[in-house]
Amino acid sequence: SYELTQPPSVSVSPGQTARITCSGDALPKQYAYWYQQKPGQAPVLVIYKDSERPSGIPERFSGSSSGTTVTLTISGVQAEDEADYYCQSADSSGTSRVFGTGTKVTVL
Amino acid sequence: EVQLVESGGGLVQPGGSLRLSCVASGFIFSSYEMNWVRQAPGKGLEWVSYISGGGNTIYYADSVKGRFTISRDYAKNSLSLQMNSLRVEDTALYYCAREGGVGEPDAFDVWGQGTLVTVSS
Repeated sequence: SYELTQPPSVSVSPGQTARITCSGDALPKQYAYWYQQKPGQAPVLVIYKDSERPSGIPERFSGSSSGTTVTLTISGVQAEDEADYYCQSADSSGTSRVFGTGTKVTVL
Repeated sequence: EVQLVESGGGLVQPGGSLRLSCVASGFIFSSYEMNWVRQAPGKGLEWVSYISGGGNTIYYADSVKGRFTISRDYAKNSLSLQMNSLRVEDTALYYCAREGGVGEPDAFDVWGQGTLVTVSS
């Protein structure tokens, strides 16, 4: 079955830049989406269609795509950005949805 | 206010059945695709099932195919997940999530708060 691979963890100091990658063979064909999940809360969409930001999401969140890898960038990280982040996409046929393995962002 | 509220979770023995429900409000239910997503304790998100706005296209993850059935009731603005032959590994918080697109995969833009399913003897 199709898989999306993320690094398990990323650590960053306040004010610095965090980058989270997500790799998958079908990403050149399917859009990627990014979700933030804080403990005890439901996931929240932070990036859609690779690089679009929903209303209400801070400008410090951005997304990019290159080949089989998509990247979520958090610029000027704040303490409130500490959370788990998941990429999500679909397989090449567009039927099965899939989530990445998840990345825990720690703000030092 | 756009909202999804799940219910129906609980404790069930292995091999048993459970039916989850998700009531939608604040949007035109029939215009959106819907999904179930689960999260085992301390683990990541796992997509479970999808149903199109019209209910005529349905997909399942391999891990639940043949055991779970997704459906929707337009009169009640409700999404359901019938879970049979439950296994210990089905233990998870189950979320319903709205998918924003029509016909093509899109973002899960609205989520419920989840309902907990525990499969244990």
